[in-house]
Amino acid sequence: KAGVTQTPRYLIKTRGQQVTLSCSPISGHRSVSWYQQTPGQGLQFLFEYFSETQRNKGNFPGRFSGRQFSNSRSEMNVSTLELGDSALYLCASSRLTSGKGETQYFGPGTRLLVL
Amino acid sequence: GESVGLHLPTLSVQEGDNSIINCAYSNSASDYFIWYKQESGKGPQFIIDIRSNMDKRQGQRVTVLLNKTVKHLSLQIAATQPGDSAVYFCAENSSTQGGSEKLVFGKGTKLTVNP
Repeated sequence: KAGVTQTPRYLIKTRGQQVTLSCSPISGHRSVSWYQQTPGQGLQFLFEYFSETQRNKGNFPGRFSGRQFSNSRSEMNVSTLELGDSALYLCASSRLTSGKGETQYFGPGTRLLVL
Repeated sequence: GESVGLHLPTLSVQEGDNSIINCAYSNSASDYFIWYKQESGKGPQFIIDIRSNMDKRQGQRVTVLLNKTVKHLSLQIAATQPGDSAVYFCAENSSTQGGSEKLVFGKGTKLTVNP
């Protein structure tokens, strides 16, 4: 079974631009979560989607948004990029069959550099 | 606020020794914990998990111990190998009402295995 895939793997943008990152979950997984990883802040939760609905959101500004499609694939968008948005963006999926506390499996991440 | 932290940022061991990585968590209501391994340039990789109704769980060369009284989690790696060199994160699954999945990560411990 293929793992979580993320595209693109690397991205360079300039301040003020916007970016869209894509995530394909493991087949059969219905929950997709996004995390930001930086050396200073570590791994921080961005948001989680299930059945095309955002169910939880972390403490990030409104410039960070996302969506999930009917096939469970997800995208996240960052508008008006700032230098501090440079990070590794990780997507994780889980089956969520029990409704609570299921293992999340991570993709390789998208490395975003904002110049 | 909620937080999951690690006692040591780095750990250096000799090949063949046992490694113990510790983690403290703050949310006493958390009921699901996961250990991840992250190698350079990769996303976090699931190692082992444990639910709060258990105090010990064993995998292949790894054991997770949970002490709910003091809110402490540990990962034991037996016969540590050079391939175990990575950053290890503990994560607390902070499932909200409605089943939303959210992981709160510790800051990580960098394990170095010396040959």
